[in-house]
Amino acid sequence: GNSVTQMEGPVTLSEEAFLTINCTYTATGYPSLFWYVQYPGEGLQLLLKATKADDKGSNKGFEATYRKETTSFHLEKGSVQVSDSAVYFCALRTSQGGSEKLVFGKGTKLTVNP
Amino acid sequence: EPEVTQTPSHQVTQMGQEVILRCVPISNHLYFYWYRQILGQKVEFLVSFYNNEISEKSEIFDDQFSVERPDGSNFTLKIRSTKLEDSAMYFCASTEMGLSFGHEQFFGPGTRLTVL
Repeated sequence: GNSVTQMEGPVTLSEEAFLTINCTYTATGYPSLFWYVQYPGEGLQLLLKATKADDKGSNKGFEATYRKETTSFHLEKGSVQVSDSAVYFCALRTSQGGSEKLVFGKGTKLTVNP
Repeated sequence: EPEVTQTPSHQVTQMGQEVILRCVPISNHLYFYWYRQILGQKVEFLVSFYNNEISEKSEIFDDQFSVERPDGSNFTLKIRSTKLEDSAMYFCASTEMGLSFGHEQFFGPGTRLTVL
């Protein structure tokens, strides 16, 4: 079946540190891949996405590249800020059967200290 | 900016009781979804709803669960007889068109359900 595995948290960094949150997936067909972010007290918000192999999604300084050969979609940011503290979710949508659902990982909580 | 809203933010109930979780999707959206996240586990898909009927559901979504769009603005999830294992955060989401058209799902802030 389709599944997403992301690195266990929590992750604690100092401001301006480099961030990587690992995400790997198992899927049939050619899924679209997403990163969602949930700030405290808010809903999940789409951070970035990639719909085919070698695509790079980017937004707000975050990037992730769809790597079909390693079935990965790792999230990176070169210099994190306190305001990036949130829970980050990796997700996929399978392209098969017209499915409308997202398959999520467990989420990784990031805390950035000043 | 339009947003998905959910009420209540926290619901506490006794085992065996019925609960209704409410969501107001974004007004021009046509596809509606419920997901849940048991503490420490993955966000799991429950059901999708389009054109007043269920379009897809997971194995979690058994006969104890039902969804309804009673009045053209609200989208509800009913659990008929709650169990301890139903304790979770429940997220509602909506999209203007289906995900297969590349549209983004917009999520609400969630309702935390605690079953005692």
